[in-house]
Amino acid sequence: GQSLEQPSEVTAVEGAIVQINCTYQTSGFYGLSWYQQHDGGAPTFLSYNALDGLEETGRFSSFLSRSDSYGYLLLQELQMKDSASYFCAVRAGGFKTIFGAGTRLFVKA
Amino acid sequence: EAGVTQSPTHLIKTRGQQATLRCSPISGHTSVYWYQQALGLGLQFLLWYDEGEERNRGNFPPRFSGRQFPNYSSELNVNALELEDSALYLCASTDSTYEQYFGPGTRLTVT
Repeated sequence: GQSLEQPSEVTAVEGAIVQINCTYQTSGFYGLSWYQQHDGGAPTFLSYNALDGLEETGRFSSFLSRSDSYGYLLLQELQMKDSASYFCAVRAGGFKTIFGAGTRLFVKA
Repeated sequence: EAGVTQSPTHLIKTRGQQATLRCSPISGHTSVYWYQQALGLGLQFLLWYDEGEERNRGNFPPRFSGRQFPNYSSELNVNALELEDSALYLCASTDSTYEQYFGPGTRLTVT
């Protein structure tokens, strides 16, 4: 079957750095995306990695290792507004998009 | 530029009935994805339409179906509703790149 694993919950303090890991097992792989979803809101796109390495976008960075079927989202200088759920998603064979169950991030003052 | 729109916002049905959910993609986007998100859970891939054709579907029974119209808007139909179909149904559109743009969702409640 196809599956993505990510931690269910992470807690960090304002100003800190947090890393959310994602491991995947899918039929076919085109790339790994990350989405943010605030309570009651729709998911919004954060980043996409098709090749190995680190992609940086402001305070957020995303990493991919295709050989390890692993990626992570790194959030720096955490702010209260970063409290949300974060989903990794794989663009798999047949262009299906398979989402992880999400990691709920709590940012404390 | 208008985003992805979905209607209705909320829908209440009784078990056994049929539900129809609608989605209008961003202008210029030809692909539409449908997802089911049960309360507090992740997104489960339902269906993918592109250029008017169903391209792929997730592990859902055939009573979940849909279509895409010539203007690329899409409709999701759920027949013979069951209590466990209660969820937020999200539609996303894309211009065939990796980024999906999500609509606000339709909250379906089955009683």
